[in-house]
Amino acid sequence: EAGVAQSPRYKIIEKRQSVAFWCNPISGHATLYWYQQILGQGPKLLIQFQNNGVVDDSQLPKDRFSAERLKGVDSTLKIQPAKLEDSAVYLCASSPLRQGANTGELFFGEGSRLTVL
Amino acid sequence: AQKITQTQPGMFVQEKEAVTLDCTYDTSDPSYGLFWYKQPSSGEMIFLIYQGSYDQQNATEGRYSLNFQKARKSANLVISASQLGDSAMYFCAMRVNTNAGKSTFGDGTTLTVKP
Repeated sequence: EAGVAQSPRYKIIEKRQSVAFWCNPISGHATLYWYQQILGQGPKLLIQFQNNGVVDDSQLPKDRFSAERLKGVDSTLKIQPAKLEDSAVYLCASSPLRQGANTGELFFGEGSRLTVL
Repeated sequence: AQKITQTQPGMFVQEKEAVTLDCTYDTSDPSYGLFWYKQPSSGEMIFLIYQGSYDQQNATEGRYSLNFQKARKSANLVISASQLGDSAMYFCAMRVNTNAGKSTFGDGTTLTVKP
C-alpha cells in the first residue's frame, strides 16, 4: 500500500513570496490533516478535512494560509505572503474513519521543509 | 481544550537498558485515545502504540509498552532493551473521539541511546 505522498520535500523562498505544498493521502482515507512543525516543537494542527469538507481550521492563519481538498482526495496548502516565522516542516497526515478496531492513528508523509529568508 | 505535556526535553539511555518517557494529558472528554509516535532524523512520524481510554490493560507492542494511569492522566512510554536505532524524537498525542478525531501533540522528548 502506498503511503502519504508530499511534495516538494524542500523549498526556500524569500519573505512575501508564495509557496504551495501538495499532499496525496493513502487511498481510501477520508480524513486529511495539515500540521506545522517548527524546529524543536511538536506538530500543530493547521487544518483537518473529512472528505472534501473542513472539520477544523481554527489554528489556520487565514490571512495568509489557505488549503483545499478538491474531490476529497489530494490536498494543497498555500502560504501567501510568507513570513520568516513560517519556516517549518509542513506535515500531511491521513487516517481512515474510526470504526471497529481502527485506533485512529495518523499516517504521515515525509513532510515539506520550508525555509523563508 | 486538550493538552499534552512532555516534561523531558532530552533523555539518555545506555544500549540494552529500559527507558521511560513521560506524558501527561488533560481533557474533560471521557472517550479518547493516546498515541506515541517516533520521529527519526529523517523526519517521518512513525506510529508506535495506542491506548484507548476505556482499555483495562496497558498496551504493548513488541519492546514498547504504555503505562496508562487514568486517574493521574499519565501515559508514559516504556522502551525495553534500548537499541541504537531507537535514538529519535518521541511524541505523545491524544485524539478525542468526540472532536472529529482531532489529534493534539506534545512537544516531544529527544531520546539518545548510548553504545
